[in-house]
Amino acid sequence: GAGVSQTPSNKVTEKGKYVELRCDPISGHTALYWYRQSLGQGPEFLIYFQGTGAADDSGLPNDRFFAVRPEGSVSTLKIQRTERGDSAVYLCASSATPPGRGLDTQYFGPGTRLTVL
Amino acid sequence: GDSVTQMEGPVTLSEEAFLTINCTYTATGYPSLFWYVQYPGEGLQLLLKATKADDKGSNKGFEATYRKETTSFHLEKGSVQVSDSAVYFCALSQNAGGTSYGKLTFGQGTILTVHP
Repeated sequence: GAGVSQTPSNKVTEKGKYVELRCDPISGHTALYWYRQSLGQGPEFLIYFQGTGAADDSGLPNDRFFAVRPEGSVSTLKIQRTERGDSAVYLCASSATPPGRGLDTQYFGPGTRLTVL
Repeated sequence: GDSVTQMEGPVTLSEEAFLTINCTYTATGYPSLFWYVQYPGEGLQLLLKATKADDKGSNKGFEATYRKETTSFHLEKGSVQVSDSAVYFCALSQNAGGTSYGKLTFGQGTILTVHP
């Protein structure tokens, strides 16, 4: 079956611009996560959705970052006034059950490589 | 907060050599522990996991044992292959309490290269 997909695979933008990154989770998965991976580092948690609501957004670095999941499936990560330090690979993951009902495997997408010039 | 520390890389081995990648963690309570692998050009994949102390996770010849007394989850394989060349990430997730459920805290990753 189809895995987690992310678009675009690569995004190059200029400092100060607005970008949107899209994540399509595995069909039926209720939990969705966003992570950011800088070069040579492990992924860092940004935000977790359970259904349509953001259950934990403690990892968002500042108010330039925002994410939505209006229908409980596709999610969009939005970054305003991009800075060079935002350059990274943005990863999305989904899992079938909410945590707390039995820890479930997170399936990761291939990521979107964002480069801010 | 929670953290995961992996041994410095990169690690370079010959085929059929024994592999150990060290991982230690700092966390409150009783987290679940994971090893993820990222093959060249591919996304992160779960390799194995352990959810409580003394559990052993295993997959594809890899093993790791959850050692609470030493807060460690070292990855081992008895005989590596060229196809095992990848980046390996140790991670933890809290099991209970608050809104931290589910989110993974990763180590920095260890690059493994296996030569024929």
